[in-house]
Amino acid sequence: DAGITQSPRHKVTETGTPVTLRCHQTENHRYMYWYRQDPGHGLRLIHYSYGVKDTDKGEVSDGYSVSRSKTEDFLLTLESATSSQTSVYFCATFSGNNEQFFGPGTRLTVL
Amino acid sequence: AQKVTQAQTEISVVEKEDVTLDCVYETRDTTYYLFWYKQPPSGELVFLIRRNSFDEQNEISGRYSWNFQKSTSSFNFTITASQVVDSAVYFCALSEGVNYGQNFVFGPGTRLSVLP
Repeated sequence: DAGITQSPRHKVTETGTPVTLRCHQTENHRYMYWYRQDPGHGLRLIHYSYGVKDTDKGEVSDGYSVSRSKTEDFLLTLESATSSQTSVYFCATFSGNNEQFFGPGTRLTVL
Repeated sequence: AQKVTQAQTEISVVEKEDVTLDCVYETRDTTYYLFWYKQPPSGELVFLIRRNSFDEQNEISGRYSWNFQKSTSSFNFTITASQVVDSAVYFCALSEGVNYGQNFVFGPGTRLSVLP
């Protein structure tokens, strides 16, 4: 267990509002990831980070931005939420021992 | 573009049977990583293994084993003596390049049901 927490765990918001999801880890892992999981589309990588202030896009990055100002925190922002961003969002890290750890997930509903 | 295929959508076995989950990938990169994940009915995601493209050695971890064959672009996963707790959706994934997130794609998953 890499001590990964996600907040909030559940959120309901309205179309057009900004939303920020937070991923926090306690193990000082270098790599961090944001994924989304949707019925019919499976799991998809949104953004990832390979160090503080070092981030890159994943398969479905449009409409999302990320920031990593500290090793332990990786923020995912939906600048203007849309209904297509209703999903379950998972954060993950990769340890130096080549193990990946996942957070519990955030269920986001955009009305 | 890179792609991961898991042709088996659902598999059902009886407890103690061995079961193999297939994963076929496509990539033009010579450096890439392959992964397997488990998602039990509770919904959490569990990392099982990461393998880089330069290491074709098979891996065994308890009842789990993985067979990586570059010649057939496959990275298959076998559960020996399956148990009810193995019931889950299993995802294979591919990441290209030297970073663990570059061009990262998942397969659609295989739902495994292990019946008592």
